[in-house]
Amino acid sequence: DVKVTQSSRYLVKRTGEKVFLECVQDMDHENMFWYRQDPGLGLRLIYFSYDVKMKEKGDIPEGYSVSREKKERFSLILESASTNQTSMYLCASSSAFRDRGPTEAFFGQGTRLTVV
Amino acid sequence: AQKVTQAQTEISVVEKEDVTLDCVYETRDTTYYLFWYKQPPSGELVFLIRRNSFDEQNEISGRYSWNFQKSTSSFNFTITASQVVDSAVYFCALSENYGGSQGNLIFGKGTKLSVKP
Repeated sequence: DVKVTQSSRYLVKRTGEKVFLECVQDMDHENMFWYRQDPGLGLRLIYFSYDVKMKEKGDIPEGYSVSREKKERFSLILESASTNQTSMYLCASSSAFRDRGPTEAFFGQGTRLTVV
Repeated sequence: AQKVTQAQTEISVVEKEDVTLDCVYETRDTTYYLFWYKQPPSGELVFLIRRNSFDEQNEISGRYSWNFQKSTSSFNFTITASQVVDSAVYFCALSENYGGSQGNLIFGKGTKLSVKP
């Protein structure tokens, strides 16, 4: 059974704290993604990575950074958490293109982060 | 610009009714891929279907069917004889096939489906 695992289901942090959200996949996927999900806004891409040590900004990278030191692990870092970063964070992974096109992404269970 | 629009924010039906979830997309590319995902109350997105822009054949999988029409840029999803377990948020997504995209998914805002017994 394919799996994307996020380290925490629920997290409460204080404003100004540095926060690490961890994601591990066991499918040997090249691509990994971090999305943020907010009511009425759907899923928005924060960062993605298509290889170890590679990263690309998504649509809303401000206030976030990422790290990918190993193929199976992709970390999202909130440098100084703020209340407007309270959200559901979803990690996903996918393999490299198939049939010359992008493949389906597999998602983790999500981390609901509350910043107080 | 790439964009996915799911105009229906919430839909409520009674069990055994058929229901169609609409998805309209915009893309600058001639080659692209469309997806549907289901997000049950547990929160994890579940992949339902992947379709490329060259394949306009409709697809049926059990009670689920998808209607892809390039002429109207739509990729609608129908659930036949809905069940309570179908209650979830459904997302339509678009991915373009050009260098640099690496399979990024552009999501619609989702349609929340409630199926009442």
